[in-house]
Amino acid sequence: QVTLKESGPVLVKPTETLTLTCTVSGFSLSDARVGVSWIRQPPGKALEWLAHISSNDGKSYRTSLKTRLTISKDTSKSQVVLTMTNMDPVDTATYFCARIPYCRNTICYDLPDFWGQGILVTVSS
Amino acid sequence: DIQMTQSPSSLSASVGDRVTITCRASQGIRDDLGWYQQKPGKAPTRLIYGASTLQSGVPSRFSGSGFGTEFTLTISSLQPEDFATYYCLQHTTYPTFGQGTKVEI
Repeated sequence: QVTLKESGPVLVKPTETLTLTCTVSGFSLSDARVGVSWIRQPPGKALEWLAHISSNDGKSYRTSLKTRLTISKDTSKSQVVLTMTNMDPVDTATYFCARIPYCRNTICYDLPDFWGQGILVTVSS
Repeated sequence: DIQMTQSPSSLSASVGDRVTITCRASQGIRDDLGWYQQKPGKAPTRLIYGASTLQSGVPSRFSGSGFGTEFTLTISSLQPEDFATYYCLQHTTYPTFGQGTKVEI
């Protein structure tokens, strides 16, 4: 049974760095084709793809946020970590992680099939 | 980045209606597109991938079509559980979502 679960702070202050962790089970981050993405959704708004990481450690970032995002993984812990620097109130959103059945290098050849439940992060002083 | 223009942004329909939602890509994306359904407070669920392949377990009243720049999601006979927001997502290059279509009663 494939599951993903997001964890991290639910409240951060402006200018702080956000660190979110996605813990997966039911599959391995070392599986040859699997990738994991981070996607966010501001309240009442559309989904936004933030970043993804492939099985061979290829990474890709949302162009507009590239300087603020870092994605990494710890295969032994079954975790994918997203950091976002210099948080702003406009970054208030529900953050989801999702599995992608086939990613290689920086390209994903499939769409997310399993998603975490999401974590609402509020940016406020 | 490839822009996905989804229409309409919302629609009102009744149980039993046929519903069509469209996504247009700013450049050709072959069939690298899928459709998701999202209910309030929940994560999206995948309905269609490869533009027209039905996800296992998804009712056959859902169908997808299109290639290149224009794509449609059709619900042949709307059911009460189908009232939700629908998103398209392309993955030819860096993935981008459409803006969503809210299907209301």
